[in-house]
Amino acid sequence: DSGVTQTPKHLITATGQRVTLRCSPRSGDLSVYWYQQSLDQGLQFLIQYYNGEERAKGNILERFSAQQFPDLHSELNLSSLELGDSALYFCASSVDRLEDTQYFGPGTRLTVL
Amino acid sequence: DQQVKQNSPSLSVQEGRISILNCDYTNSMFDYFLWYKKYPAEGPTFLISISSIKDKNEDGRFTVFLNKSAKHLSLHIVPSQPGDSAVYFCAAIVNNNDMRFGAGTRLTVKP
Repeated sequence: DSGVTQTPKHLITATGQRVTLRCSPRSGDLSVYWYQQSLDQGLQFLIQYYNGEERAKGNILERFSAQQFPDLHSELNLSSLELGDSALYFCASSVDRLEDTQYFGPGTRLTVL
Repeated sequence: DQQVKQNSPSLSVQEGRISILNCDYTNSMFDYFLWYKKYPAEGPTFLISISSIKDKNEDGRFTVFLNKSAKHLSLHIVPSQPGDSAVYFCAAIVNNNDMRFGAGTRLTVKP
């Protein structure tokens, strides 16, 4: 158990819809990261938040957005969903930087029909 | 664009022998490299990392080697154990604000 929790475990929705994925970091970690793992693109870094502020941005689409709340939990919002957004979405947390040891949650499997 | 490449999708080794997983990169600005292990239905688990100013880092059975001139890193697992069977991802960080992953190598360690 990494200490990082993600909800929901599975999500099935239709194209054009909007969903919100939730992540709670390990106790004491200030940074939260979001990743997408899809069959054709592999594992991709999406975005990092540190103590409520966006710190680093990877291959995140404009239709996707994230935020980190004062209690340090984070949400990833995916809108105008397309079939190609079907993937596993992982959240990870660390003390501070990308280079720090990151602890990954079990992931949310999103299926867009 | 594939800045980090793991050209071997799979590797099979005998228990007790050495496993060598390879990773190549194209961006000379990468300054930190990591290896993650992933079991099915779980998130990746950090294994070992190396800064670009070093050429070797060891942690127990795991050693990472970095050859900057060849833009190549490798992960050595000695001795390999059946529990090491998993997918291994190499990753590279640039300027502490972007991270790229290889496609992964599935390691099978046979008893």
